[in-house]
Formats: sequence, structure tokens, C-alpha cells
Amino acid sequence: GAVVSQHPSRVICKSGTSVKIECRSLDFQATTMFWYRQFPKKSLMLMATSNEGSKATYEQGVEKDKFLINHASLTLSTLTVTSAHPEDSSFYICSAGTGTGYGYTFGSGTRLTVV
Amino acid sequence: GESVGLHLPTLSVQEGDNSIINCAYSNSASDYFIWYKQESGKGPQFIIDIRSNMDKRQGQRVTVLLNKTVKHLSLQIAATQPGDSAVYFCAEHNNDMRFGAGTRLTVKP
Repeated sequence: GAVVSQHPSRVICKSGTSVKIECRSLDFQATTMFWYRQFPKKSLMLMATSNEGSKATYEQGVEKDKFLINHASLTLSTLTVTSAHPEDSSFYICSAGTGTGYGYTFGSGTRLTVV
Repeated sequence: GESVGLHLPTLSVQEGDNSIINCAYSNSASDYFIWYKQESGKGPQFIIDIRSNMDKRQGQRVTVLLNKTVKHLSLQIAATQPGDSAVYFCAEHNNDMRFGAGTRLTVKP
């Protein structure tokens, strides 16, 4: 079946630094990628939708200059948290789809801790 | 705005019983609905999906029911097992994919 690899699974960084999270579709072409953020015991909050070759569409309240999303190829999308602060600490999850509107596969998530 | 929501935040059932998890959605334009299971510290795992032109779909031990009239979605798990303990989310798709609040299912042995 479709597999999405998300890396790293855990990362600890210092305040003010940037962190890049990668999401790769291993055996299919991911035309669409969704990036989510999840707080403890809460649901997944959609941050942005990215389509290969296009600029990401950010949800209201999500700072696009802080959460940089790049979807330069059909198998790779990255989320960069710039100038990270402790409040950015969260679980970040990507989801990839073929763009047909059906069938999305999730990555295993990245636990970001900013100290 | 339009959203997906869940009726119950927690559900506790006895092993072997059937479980029913409910979800209400408000976007009538959504064309696809998915149920996911999430275990602690992991990404969501696909359980079953249903398109808006269907009202029922069955998988192995799971059934999803869609009632578009009242914008309601449910997940039925037959013969619930301890391994089914997790948080369950419904998600609706309409160009993007949004999640409901989640229900924590606990299976008592």
C-alpha cells in the first residue's frame, strides 16, 4: 500500500533556530500534501494544503512566513518551522494524496520540542 | 465556519461488545469521509472511508454509515478488542481534509 515517510520523528531545538520536517511518498506520486499540527489530547488542525509546483494555501491564523512549506516534487514536501519558539512545540503530521480526492496516507508524525 | 465534530469525547466498552462512534459534519459539499485511528505518539491510521454517493460501507469488523440528510457519520466496530483502544477521528474532504475532535475508545477486558 501507499507509504509516507516522515522525518525526523523527534527533534529538540533551541529557541530561535529553524527546523525542517520532511515528508516523502515512497511508492506513489503525491500531488497534494496536507500539513497538520496536533496538540496533546486534541484533534489534528489543518495548517496548510500544498499542491506540487504551487504555493501552499495556508489556513487562517497560520503564519506562512513562520511555517514554510515547499512541495517541489511529487514525492517530497517539507515544512520548515523558522525561528522556533517554545509555543511551536507540537506534533506535526503530513498527509499525502494523489490528488484524485480519495485516499490519503499519513506520515508517522514529528514531535517538535523547542527549548 | 463549517466544521466536523464528534458527539462523545470518550467511549468505554467491554471486550467483545460492539462499539459505535458518531460524528456530525456541517459542510454539505463534502464528498468523501474517512475514519482514522490514532494511537499515542503515532500518525493517524486509515480505517475505512465512504464517498458521499454511498450510505454504508463495510470492512473487516468495521462499518461506516453516512446519513447525508442529517449530516451524520458513524463508525461501528464489531466484537471490539483491546487492540481497538485508541482515539478515533472522522475527517471530511472537500478540496482539503479536516478532522473532528476525536473520541477515545477504551476497551475493558
